[in-house]
Amino acid sequence: SQKIEQNSEALNIQEGKTATLTCNYTNYSPAYLQWYRQDPGRGPVFLLLIRENEKEKRKERLKVTFDTTLKQSLFHITASQPADSATYLCALDGGGSTLGRLYFGRGTQLTVWP
Amino acid sequence: DTAVSQTPKYLVTQMGNDKSIKCEQNLGHDTMYWYKQDSKKFLKIMFSYNNKELIINETVPNRFSPKSPDKAHLNLHINSLELGDSAVYFCASSPSGSADTQYFGPGTRLTVL
Repeated sequence: SQKIEQNSEALNIQEGKTATLTCNYTNYSPAYLQWYRQDPGRGPVFLLLIRENEKEKRKERLKVTFDTTLKQSLFHITASQPADSATYLCALDGGGSTLGRLYFGRGTQLTVWP
Repeated sequence: DTAVSQTPKYLVTQMGNDKSIKCEQNLGHDTMYWYKQDSKKFLKIMFSYNNKELIINETVPNRFSPKSPDKAHLNLHINSLELGDSAVYFCASSPSGSADTQYFGPGTRLTVL
């Protein structure tokens, strides 16, 4: 069956450290993978998109990697701040005829403490 | 200026009733979506419309019927509401529907009693 698994439902780190979130998938062949941030009571907000032929993408303090052999994406937040506390969702397209459909993982709730 | 808006924000109703949720986007996007987020925060796609045409129907019960009067609006009508329909429903839009960033609305929390 198809699965998208994000490691640990919750991740707690100290301010200034690097947060690393993992997204593993099974039985998908995505053309691209996206990461979203969701704050309580709000809709998800897009952060980064990485395509299957890209290994790494960066945006300010954010970095995402995509390994289609391992079927895994890593999402890093460097120099983390309490304001980074939120739930982070991994999403990928189904590939092939399901291109354009986004399938989401259950998210990792990140808490950055001072 | 709100990019993707939904009304109402909260909806509480009895089992068996029929209700609608409205969505509007002012981004000029061609594609709009409905997602359901359950109590365990699992976000799942329900429908997608591209320029008023249904392109994704992800095995959703027939009681759910989307309607797109124009490409800026996508409404969701739910008949004969059931307890299991309680969730947060998100509308989203994207420029063209393939490999695009999606822009989400604030969500509608539906509670069926």
